[in-house]
Amino acid sequence: DTEVTQTPKHLVMGMTNKKSLKCEQHMGHRAMYWYKQKAKKPPELMFVYSYEKLSINESVPSRFSPECPNSSLLNLHLHALQPEDSALYLCASSQDFVTQYFGPGTRLTVL
Amino acid sequence: GENVEQHPSTLSVQEGDSAVIKCTYSDSASNYFPWYKQELGKRPQLIIDIRSNVGEKKDQRIAVTLNKTAKHFSLHITETQPEDSAVYFCAAKSPTRGYQKVTFGTGTKLQVIP
Repeated sequence: DTEVTQTPKHLVMGMTNKKSLKCEQHMGHRAMYWYKQKAKKPPELMFVYSYEKLSINESVPSRFSPECPNSSLLNLHLHALQPEDSALYLCASSQDFVTQYFGPGTRLTVL
Repeated sequence: GENVEQHPSTLSVQEGDSAVIKCTYSDSASNYFPWYKQELGKRPQLIIDIRSNVGEKKDQRIAVTLNKTAKHFSLHITETQPEDSAVYFCAAKSPTRGYQKVTFGTGTKLQVIP
């Protein structure tokens, strides 16, 4: 398996909802990332997990909560989001902490 | 911190012509420069990358050049095809920013006109 997968593809949620995004890779990559991408903008780094431990948090609001249950799985728990949080959320992984491979993303809409 | 500038923001070329996208970076310690292609609604896809110990790298119709002295790198696409139409992002990785971070350019929307 040479891909990063993400579920769901699309998610619509209200500001009071709690939802989770899921990312999975079976390439044995040791680093996993969450990015947020707004339309016509480059991806913005949110979190980095290295060997299943959170190593970088780019000052992301606490309404976004990452979790890495094992070396293949990365979750992003969402609660009390704002409409401006609507974006494409991308997961990426890397074997060498240099070259990153992106998943297809989850298109999130917050109403 | 690292700053990556990318030009042009939009580029239209006739099918079969060449396209060149240029990026400059600020941190002289940057040592890895990937290029990503993102089609509408799709994931960023790594198409080519270059490390600081190499001046040029080619992969079929795509090439990347790096000028460390001037701190700029470029993507060259020859014999463009309609399927090359996408947004292209350059990026730079600097060890001084933390070994796991890359800084992206602002993107170039390439349109190949059949």
